[in-house]
Amino acid sequence: EVQLLESGGGLVQPGGSLRLSCAASGFTFSSYAMSWVRQAPGKGLEWVSGISDSGGSTYYADSVKGRFTISRDNSKNTLYLQMNSLRAEDTAVYYCAKGRTPRGGIVVGGYWGQGTLVTVSS
Amino acid sequence: QSALTQPASVSGSPGQSITISCTGTSSDVGGYSYVSWYQQHPGKAPKLIIYDVSNRPSGVSNRFSGSKSGNTASLTISGLQAEDEADYYCNSYTSSSTLVFGGGTKLTVL
Repeated sequence: EVQLLESGGGLVQPGGSLRLSCAASGFTFSSYAMSWVRQAPGKGLEWVSGISDSGGSTYYADSVKGRFTISRDNSKNTLYLQMNSLRAEDTAVYYCAKGRTPRGGIVVGGYWGQGTLVTVSS
Repeated sequence: QSALTQPASVSGSPGQSITISCTGTSSDVGGYSYVSWYQQHPGKAPKLIIYDVSNRPSGVSNRFSGSKSGNTASLTISGLQAEDEADYYCNSYTSSSTLVFGGGTKLTVL
């Protein structure tokens, strides 16, 4: 059974940093691209960042480019999102999501975690 | 990276059919067959209901169908049921090698 478990969310002050993790199980992690998608309270879904199966290619939404860094450790089956220079508008539930096909691109499929809440506030 | 355009809300009575549109550009919806649709109930993670424009994942009711014409994709739900009341989001791959979501549509079953 595919499982994605996010962690690392919490309350952080504006300008601060936070690192999210997503522990994956139930599939060959190293064969799938992964993404982070967020949802601000009461708002819609926003794709944040994606990474290829090998980790060699990374992609970002303009809203986070230069502040967030996506990475993965295929030996630990874990996806990360390093978030720096956080702003109030980054407040959201952050979901990790599995790519739809093996060795495919970042197109997200049907497996998402339950999300971790990041609150940026003083 | 502008969000895809969806109507904010749609409604229908049980048994009726409704269609939700998702309008983008030739750089996203119009340029690729990687359009997906997600259903989200309050407090839950999104659920994939359509992928690659018109394909249904295993276990998703055949009351859900997808299509695309030019830069606009559409989700049709036939035989509306109370449990279909939820938020619906479209998603597309883009020419910038990124993904973009629609703003979401709230479906109300009257």
